Amino acid sequence: DAGVIQSPRHEVTEMGQEVTLRCKLISGHNSLFWYRQTMMRGLELLIYFNNNVPIDDSGMPEDRFSAKMPNASFSTLKIQPSEPRDSAVYFCASSLDRGSDTQYFGPGTRLTVL
Amino acid sequence: SQQGEEDPQALSIQEGENATMNCSYKTSINNLQWYRQNSGRGLVHLILIRSNEREKHSGRLRVTLDTSKKSSSLLITASRAADTASYFCATDAGTALIFGKGTTLSVSS
Repeated sequence: DAGVIQSPRHEVTEMGQEVTLRCKLISGHNSLFWYRQTMMRGLELLIYFNNNVPIDDSGMPEDRFSAKMPNASFSTLKIQPSEPRDSAVYFCASSLDRGSDTQYFGPGTRLTVL
Repeated sequence: SQQGEEDPQALSIQEGENATMNCSYKTSINNLQWYRQNSGRGLVHLILIRSNEREKHSGRLRVTLDTSKKSSSLLITASRAADTASYFCATDAGTALIFGKGTTLSVSS
């Protein structure tokens, strides 16, 4: 198995632009997580899906952020409009069943908003 | 809010020495996991210990869990330069894992 796949690996954009991050889960996994990592705040859980349904989105910073799972193997995280403070590394992770199971992380997307 | 807090924040040792990292948490848990993150990479799962277990081993890793003190420790024996990374504890207190801020381990040869 290829593991969790994220794209793009790097994204540089200007303030106000829309950014879309993509994630492909490991086949057979039912839970999907989006995290944001910064030096200041560490690793923050943004949203957690189980069987395509959002279970916990309390970590989503504000209405500018949205996440979807159009099917069981794919997810997107969209930021619109982007701001410089959104600059961070965004990780997607999946687990076999529950949110508390072992998680498998993708390589991350480094986002820079100028 | 952070459930797990690692201590120390940073640790520098020589190759061959043992490295010990600690994690404290606040609420009751079902399990506690340790992950490693190499620079510029995603987190990788190392070991999981359940709330009814007190100690677990995996290769050069030894994890202990004291639920009465709400703490866990990760011991890496005979460290190598390749162990240089950040180490995170993650606690399961319900729906999803909550990660601490990590301990940055530097092993010099």
